[in-house]
Amino acid sequence: NAGVTQTPKFQVLKTGQSMTLQCAQDMNHNSMYWYRQDPGMGLRLIYYSASEGTTDKGEVPNGYNVSRLNKREFSLRLESAAPSQTSVYFCASSGWDSPRGTQYFGPGTRLTVL
Amino acid sequence: AQTVTQSQPEMSVQEAETVTLSCTYDTSENNYYLFWYKQPPSRQMILVIRQEAYKQQNATENRFSVNFQKAAKSFSLKISDSQLGDTAMYFCAFMSGTSYGKLTFGQGTILTVHP
Repeated sequence: NAGVTQTPKFQVLKTGQSMTLQCAQDMNHNSMYWYRQDPGMGLRLIYYSASEGTTDKGEVPNGYNVSRLNKREFSLRLESAAPSQTSVYFCASSGWDSPRGTQYFGPGTRLTVL
Repeated sequence: AQTVTQSQPEMSVQEAETVTLSCTYDTSENNYYLFWYKQPPSRQMILVIRQEAYKQQNATENRFSVNFQKAAKSFSLKISDSQLGDTAMYFCAFMSGTSYGKLTFGQGTILTVHP
């Protein structure tokens, strides 16, 4: 089992460029999440998908869009990147067979917007 | 909205000794879950321990244990017999029992274990 995988691991963008961060899980989990991690602020929830076909905003959704492509995959899109979106992005998943509330995280994507 | 506060930006401990990391939270709910996650230099987020608020017994996982004080809204992590591999950023996190899946994280505490 690979668990939660994210691509790419690193990315540098120029202001105004767009890109999509990919996330996939092979644990048959229903729920998936996108977080961003900034220095001194811990992780903050951007968007989540409680189940296939549904998505909802988290704490900091502005400037992002998401797509739950299928049960395995949940992508995060930056339509017009801004320097304020420089951060480390984590994808996570959880399932009904997990201890309630426990989320499993991917390795993260370090994004720099110049 | 819930908030989670970790008041210790950095801590250090000698190998084999015990260290306690502090966490407080604010909520008006009675049903919730609390977590400690570890983030080593590899950046991978690893679950250390989990506590259900309705359980009075403190959770333990090998060298890791918590002191859960529900009335005081305090959730500290004790690491016994510290090892060099415990060097990491530690995050306290809260999840409401009614907002399933939404984790609220504290700011993190950097723990350094010295040989």
